[in-house]
Amino acid sequence: EPEVTQTPSHQVTQMGQEVILRCVPISNHLYFYWYRQILGQKVEFLVSFYNNEISEKSEIFDDQFSVERPDGSNFTLKIRSTKLEDSAMYFCASGGDRGRVSGELFFGEGSRLTVL
Amino acid sequence: DAKTTQPNSMESNEEEPVHLPCNHSTISGTDYIHWYRQLPSQGPEYVIHGLTSNVNNRMASLAIAEDRKSSTLILHRATLRDAAVYYCILRGRIYGGSQGNLIFGKGTKLSVKP
Repeated sequence: EPEVTQTPSHQVTQMGQEVILRCVPISNHLYFYWYRQILGQKVEFLVSFYNNEISEKSEIFDDQFSVERPDGSNFTLKIRSTKLEDSAMYFCASGGDRGRVSGELFFGEGSRLTVL
Repeated sequence: DAKTTQPNSMESNEEEPVHLPCNHSTISGTDYIHWYRQLPSQGPEYVIHGLTSNVNNRMASLAIAEDRKSSTLILHRATLRDAAVYYCILRGRIYGGSQGNLIFGKGTKLSVKP
């Protein structure tokens, strides 16, 4: 069964460092997302991406964050200068086959980011 | 996004049916009702979704009230593996660049006792 894969599974970084989280969405999907979940809290929407551009973003997704789909298969989330409060599990998701509306999203297993 | 209301937690016995309720009194005509679940230490997982009619799949059934202001996720025989947080989410129709993003609430934490 096709799945969304994320790397790394866990990254530890120093405050102020740049981090790139990588995702390989399911190949025929058209919509891509990043969510995050701080330990013990709810899953929060960060950004959605369609047709090679950001469709929507939340208040959390400020200038420190950026997304890219550099090669048609990977979908990356970059945090330019990490802060302690960026420590969280980051989930990538994809969905939306051609011709299907309001279908399900498929989530990856997540990348745990720890900022020291 | 329209809001949903779910109980914070529920308990079930293994191999018994579970009915997880969700209220969504402000649902709009184009909102789909989605259910996801999150097992411990995993990403959210799609369970089922529907618009007006009841829906069944291999994981669960979704019963939607006639006025669409509430719905119930039914797990026919709970197993220990069904212990998770279950999220009821309203999602708009996807067309072009409008995706009706999934906005997660706190969900219902389901515990399953052996």
